[in-house]
Amino acid sequence: AQSVTQLDSHVSVSEGTPVLLRCNYSSSYSPSLFWYVQHPNKGLQLLLKYTSAATLVKGINGFEAEFKKSETSFHLTKPSAHMSDAAEYFCVASNYGGATNKLIFGTGTLLAVQP
Amino acid sequence: DTGVSQNPRHKITKRGQNVTFRCDPISEHNRLYWYRQTLGQGPEFLTYFQNEAQLEKSRLLSDRFSAERPKGSFSTLEIQRTEQGDSAMYLCASSQTQYRSGNTIYFGEGSWLTVV
Repeated sequence: AQSVTQLDSHVSVSEGTPVLLRCNYSSSYSPSLFWYVQHPNKGLQLLLKYTSAATLVKGINGFEAEFKKSETSFHLTKPSAHMSDAAEYFCVASNYGGATNKLIFGTGTLLAVQP
Repeated sequence: DTGVSQNPRHKITKRGQNVTFRCDPISEHNRLYWYRQTLGQGPEFLTYFQNEAQLEKSRLLSDRFSAERPKGSFSTLEIQRTEQGDSAMYLCASSQTQYRSGNTIYFGEGSWLTVV
């Protein structure tokens, strides 16, 4: 069965410093992996996705993530945090090889950006 | 492309009442999903449709929950005899069939339900 573990429930950074949000996955086959962002009282917006092409995936707003099969990780990074990045971030896995593309969400990481 | 639209955005109801949420997916998306998100948790899969056919239901979807997509376009999620534990945000999402458009699933802004 698939599962996603987000290692930090809260991360706080200063504006202009790097962001690292950690995610590990468990899957019996090569998964598709995503990062979604959710701003307060808003829906989920796709930041980036990995679907077995390049292992370094670039997304919107300067975010990127690297798929490391040996570590079963898909950490999200950004070189320089902006105040507008404050939100909740979800690491997500999907079974594209199966009958559905049902998404399995992690529990989320709340990113705070200090001025 | 106007995105996935959900209404109402917020609903407060008394325990025992029935509520219905509507979702309008992105046009030409043949897959439609419902998820539930409680405070402090990630969204959990409830059910999904391929056109008008409901192809999978989670065990989270008790007998009090029913979802329909009668013409393969918009969908409704009805909760009968609401309980306080039903308080959550109900998210709708849509996508095209696998292997087209990168399989991206697009979410609406959600419908908040508070049962008092």
